[in-house]
Amino acid sequence: KAGVTQTPRYLIKTRGQQVTLSCSPISGHRSVSWYQQTPGQGLQFLFEYFSETQRNKGNFPGRFSGRQFSNSRSEMNVSTLELGDSALYLCASSPSTGPGGYTFGSGTRLTVV
Amino acid sequence: AQSVTQLDSQVPVFEEAPVELRCNYSSSVSVYLFWYVQYPNQGLQLLLKYLSGSTLVESINGFEAEFNKSQTSFHLRKPSVHISDTAEYFCAVSYSGGSNYKLTFGKGTLLTVNP
Repeated sequence: KAGVTQTPRYLIKTRGQQVTLSCSPISGHRSVSWYQQTPGQGLQFLFEYFSETQRNKGNFPGRFSGRQFSNSRSEMNVSTLELGDSALYLCASSPSTGPGGYTFGSGTRLTVV
Repeated sequence: AQSVTQLDSQVPVFEEAPVELRCNYSSSVSVYLFWYVQYPNQGLQLLLKYLSGSTLVESINGFEAEFNKSQTSFHLRKPSVHISDTAEYFCAVSYSGGSNYKLTFGKGTLLTVNP
């Protein structure tokens, strides 16, 4: 069974640009969550999607957005990139919105220069 | 609001020694508790979880954690560590009511196992 797949693994962008990250959940998983990991702030929740609807949202500015498609694949977009957006972005999937633990992907390492 | 405190940012130990990674949480409601492990350049892997029932939970690779409601703790222990256990360990909490199961993580504890 394939795990959570995130693409690309590494990305370098310039300040002011925008970026789109992709996440393919485990087959059959309908919930996809996104987290940002930085050395200073640690792991912070961005948002969660379930059946194409955003169910929960963390405390990030509106430059951070996401969506989920009918096949449960998800994308997150960051517009007007800032240096502080440099981070490891992790996607996690779960069969439903219940607890029980999420399966994380390997992440996308975004560097903003 | 929930918060998680991992009391040690780094824990160095020798191989075959016991280890305890401490985790305390703060929440006014019932919670679910998790430990995740992250190896270099990888994502997070679920190590073990407490949802309900027995307060002592075990992983397949010898780690265990005990939920202590009165002390709001969920410390991770292993009686004898291996070099391959070197990684960063994250404690996380999730609210057990409603439909919001987002994870709130601690800052992580870097476990370094030396030969």
